[in-house]
Amino acid sequence: QVQLVQSGAEVKKPGASVKVSCKASGYTFTSYAMHWVRQAPGQSLEWMGWINAGNGNTKYSQNFQGRVTITRDTSASTAYMELSSLRSEDTAVYYCARADQYQLLTHFYYYGMDVWGQGTTVTVSS
Amino acid sequence: EIVLTQSPGTLSLSPGERATLSCRASQSVSSSYLAWYQQKPGQAPRLLIYGASSRATGIPDRFSGSGSGTDFTLTISRLEPEDFAVYYCQQYGSSLAFGQGTKVEIK
Repeated sequence: QVQLVQSGAEVKKPGASVKVSCKASGYTFTSYAMHWVRQAPGQSLEWMGWINAGNGNTKYSQNFQGRVTITRDTSASTAYMELSSLRSEDTAVYYCARADQYQLLTHFYYYGMDVWGQGTTVTVSS
Repeated sequence: EIVLTQSPGTLSLSPGERATLSCRASQSVSSSYLAWYQQKPGQAPRLLIYGASSRATGIPDRFSGSGSGTDFTLTISRLEPEDFAVYYCQQYGSSLAFGQGTKVEIK
């Protein structure tokens, strides 16, 4: 079955970096985009960015520009999200989510994030 | 940046009742890029609706989406016990953003 399995919980000190992995199975990894979304305790969802798993192109939220890097390893069907210069406000559950989206000529097609990982809790504390 | 405002913040209803959730955008959004998600405590979100009105795979037909421009609606025709959850709208314009959520709770 189609699933995304994320790496385990992390505890980091302020100023450090964290790298979360998201292993895909049950589908052709390179045919979809992978988004990263986080959710602070009791808060809404916040989009961080996405990667085209096929060609590696990325797009990031302005809110994280310069601090987030999304990569992928096609041989391992795994996407990664690295967040640097961590602060206490980055304490959250981080999700990866598959999206069926593509660009055809001048039109961008988007069909939503249809498969989600189980979430990875990142705690930033001194 | 487009901001999505959902209302009400909390909806208190009984099983079998109809739920109407609103999502208003700060500027016009293409219907093609409007989605709705359901999230239960301790779980990842689940895609319900994409393209403003298309149900995702496996979503019951009691869930329906409508709207265009700046006003979008998610309707649950008859609430089942498993429908009590938080619902988020999401748009993908120049950037991607979620609304703040509407909690549907048991009255």
